[in-house]
Order: sequence, then C-alpha cells, then structure tokens
Amino acid sequence: AQSVAQPEDQVNVAEGNPLTVKCTYSVSGNPYLFWYVQYPNRGLQFLLKYITGDNLVKGSYGFEAEFNKSQTSFHLKKPSALVSDSALYFCAVRDGGTAGSARQLTFGSGTQLTVLP
Amino acid sequence: EAGVTQFPSHSVIEKGQTVTLRCDPISGHDNLYWYRRVMGKEIKFLLHFVKESKQDESGMPNNRFLAERTGGTYSTLKVQPAELEDSGVYFCASLPLAGVRETQYFGPGTRLLVL
Repeated sequence: AQSVAQPEDQVNVAEGNPLTVKCTYSVSGNPYLFWYVQYPNRGLQFLLKYITGDNLVKGSYGFEAEFNKSQTSFHLKKPSALVSDSALYFCAVRDGGTAGSARQLTFGSGTQLTVLP
Repeated sequence: EAGVTQFPSHSVIEKGQTVTLRCDPISGHDNLYWYRRVMGKEIKFLLHFVKESKQDESGMPNNRFLAERTGGTYSTLKVQPAELEDSGVYFCASLPLAGVRETQYFGPGTRLLVL
C-alpha cells in the first residue's frame, strides 16, 4: 500500500521569505511524486513531478521540490513567497513499478499555505 | 486543447435525493479517474476507467455510488440515495493510455452538499 503524509495542516510565511511545504511518502516500488495546488474555488492544478533523474525538480510559478530517497521526502520549496501563492497544496504518490493501468494517485491531506503581506 | 471539464460545479441536494455528476476528459485520454475529498481530509481515489471498462473500483464507498462511461468518452457518477456523508468535492482526472510517466490532469471538481 502507498501513503503520503503532509505533517502541517497550515503554513504561514511572510512575503519575500522562502517557503517549504513538507511531504513524506511510503511506496513499495519506485515513487512517482507529484505536487498539485488548489486555489480558492478552483480545481487541482499540476505544479511539478518527480519521475526519475535529478533530485531537484523545477515546476510552475517558481516552485521546486527535492526528492530525498533516504528520507522518503519530497518537500515543496520556493525561494521567495508571493501573496498570490496562498492556496491549498497537495502532495501525491504513485508506485512507478505498478504494471499496466493501475495508476491512481494517493494524496496527502493537504497543507494550507498563507503568505502574509 | 480543452482540459478536463466537470458538471455541475456545485450541487446542493437533500438527503435521499439522487445526484449525477458528469466528467468530460481531455480528448483522446482513455484513462479516467474519479476522486473525492471530504471536508479537511485527503483526496481519495474512487475508481478508474480504461475506455469504457472499469479497471479498478476499489475506492467506491458503497453501492449507492454508480459510475458509467458509455462509449469510452465522458463519465457519470450517480449517487442514489445521497447521504450527509457524501458531501465533498468530487474530482475527475484523465490520462493517456500510453505514457506511464504522464501527469493526471484534473477537472475543477463538483462541490456536493447533502443537507
């Protein structure tokens, strides 16, 4: 079975400061990892993913995430937060070793990011 | 290219009524997924279609939920009769058949409130 933990329900950061949203995962095979963002009254938007290759993945809106296999983590980061980054962030995992079509994602419970002006 | 669309965007019904949600995947995407997020919880997988076939419906909560994908295009998710605990946001996502490393793209969701 696969699982995702987002230990923080809420993260507050001042505008211009760096931000980190934490995610740890558990999966039996190779992890495919994703970050999605949900703005108020909007759907889930894809931010970035890690499949293979460089551990540091760059995505949309200046976000990046670092895959750490030994710590089973995939924390989302941004060097300088904007007020407009305030949203609900979801980490998700899929077992990359799953054969065929069983590709559903397992999500964390979400982290509400608030960037204060 | 149009994204995943869902209808309605919001639905408010009374306990015991029936509601049908619709999802139109990205054109050509054979994989279609339904997920649900109840208030404050994680987004949970409900079921997965490959074309018109149900590949995995292990996440469906009970037999009050019925999903269909006639013709392998759009999908519907019917809840009958609805209960209070069915309230939440229902998301649909789609994925091409090939491309193991592809990204699931999600629709805007349907916000269901059962009173």
